[in-house]
Amino acid sequence: AQSVTQLDSQVPVFEEAPVELRCNYSSSVSVYLFWYVQYPNQGLQLLLKYLSGSTLVKGINGFEAEFNKSQTSFHLRKPSVHISDTAEYFCAVSDFGNEKLTFGTGTRLTIIP
Amino acid sequence: DVKVTQSSRYLVKRTGEKVFLECVQDMDHENMFWYRQDPGLGLRLIYFSYDVKMKEKGDIPEGYSVSREKKERFSLILESASTNQTSMYLCASSSPGGLRDTQYFGPGTRLTVL
Repeated sequence: AQSVTQLDSQVPVFEEAPVELRCNYSSSVSVYLFWYVQYPNQGLQLLLKYLSGSTLVKGINGFEAEFNKSQTSFHLRKPSVHISDTAEYFCAVSDFGNEKLTFGTGTRLTIIP
Repeated sequence: DVKVTQSSRYLVKRTGEKVFLECVQDMDHENMFWYRQDPGLGLRLIYFSYDVKMKEKGDIPEGYSVSREKKERFSLILESASTNQTSMYLCASSSPGGLRDTQYFGPGTRLTVL
């Protein structure tokens, strides 16, 4: 069975500074990887996903993530954050052929003006 | 745009009541999912459905059941609500490509059981 670890439950960052949100997964087979964002009082929406091919994946709102198979990681990055990026971010994984997503516990990103 | 709607944003029920949470999607998606979200635990899958009248247990099905009589509607049922079922409940749907396609989420129902 797969699992996801988000190492930081809260990350405060100054506005216009870069940010990295960490995600590590464990699985015995090949995987699909996802980052979702949840803005206050809303449901989740997809930021980006890795299915195959290039290990650097670009998503919406200037976010990107890099799949590192040897380190079983899928860290999310943004070079310059804005107040509007304040939200909770969830990493998720699924094994090939498995319809179910397994989510991490989430990282709350707080932007400091 | 895909739209997933949930019947209530906030719900307050008493212990022992039967509770129905409704979810409707407008994109003809085959797959529908129910999750609960708790602080520090992330999202956990309760049940999912591949098609009308089809359902499979997720990771935490105890105390819950589901119904899918029509393709667009997926209901979560708490037969006898308990205080430990106080949580945020999120519904999602996706197309037949499964996880190669995005799961689209509703806004959530925050259920409080007193």
